[in-house]
Amino acid sequence: NAGVTQTPKFRILKIGQSMTLQCTQDMNHNYMYWYRQDPGMGLKLIYYSVGAGITDKGEVPNGYNVSRSTTEDFPLRLELAAPSQTSVYFCASSSRQKLNTEAFFGQGTRLTVV
Amino acid sequence: SQKIEQNSEALNIQEGKTATLTCNYTNYSPAYLQWYRQDPGRGPVFLLLIRENEKEKRKERLKVTFDTTLKQSLFHITASQPADSATYLCAPLTGNEKLTFGTGTRLTIIP
Repeated sequence: NAGVTQTPKFRILKIGQSMTLQCTQDMNHNYMYWYRQDPGMGLKLIYYSVGAGITDKGEVPNGYNVSRSTTEDFPLRLELAAPSQTSVYFCASSSRQKLNTEAFFGQGTRLTVV
Repeated sequence: SQKIEQNSEALNIQEGKTATLTCNYTNYSPAYLQWYRQDPGRGPVFLLLIRENEKEKRKERLKVTFDTTLKQSLFHITASQPADSATYLCAPLTGNEKLTFGTGTRLTIIP
């Protein structure tokens, strides 16, 4: 079982560049989430999706975009990278078919913007 | 606005003692509350879920309580071990789609 897979694991971006963080899950989960975690801090929700074609903003969506064209994939797009986006990004998924079951997390993408 | 607070950023406990972590929430009424463990450099891992009609839930050395009147959940680790050292996160859930977390408590078990 692969679970939730994020790519890349590490990336260095220059200010103003763009990139897409990939997230794939093979558990047929309908709910997917993107979080960022700054050093020593908690998880902040960026965007989430309750199913293919449906996305919504979380607590800190500015500077990011998402799409959900399939159940499996939930990419996060950074446009015009800024140093403030230096963080570790986690993708997660859950089924919610049985109410409020656990969320499974990817291994994270460590992004540095210089 | 909704707020989730966990008692302290860091907690040091002697090995063998019981560690107690607190999760307080304001401005909403969750039907469920989840607890996760996060090790450095890793994603969180689910530990326990407790429902609003359950006062207490146990799993091995872990015990969780849920007081909807106080708007608080307590997370206990009994007979603590150095391997329990990690950051613990709570996530109250209302049943809507969002999954948001408290700030976390970094627990260190001292041998």
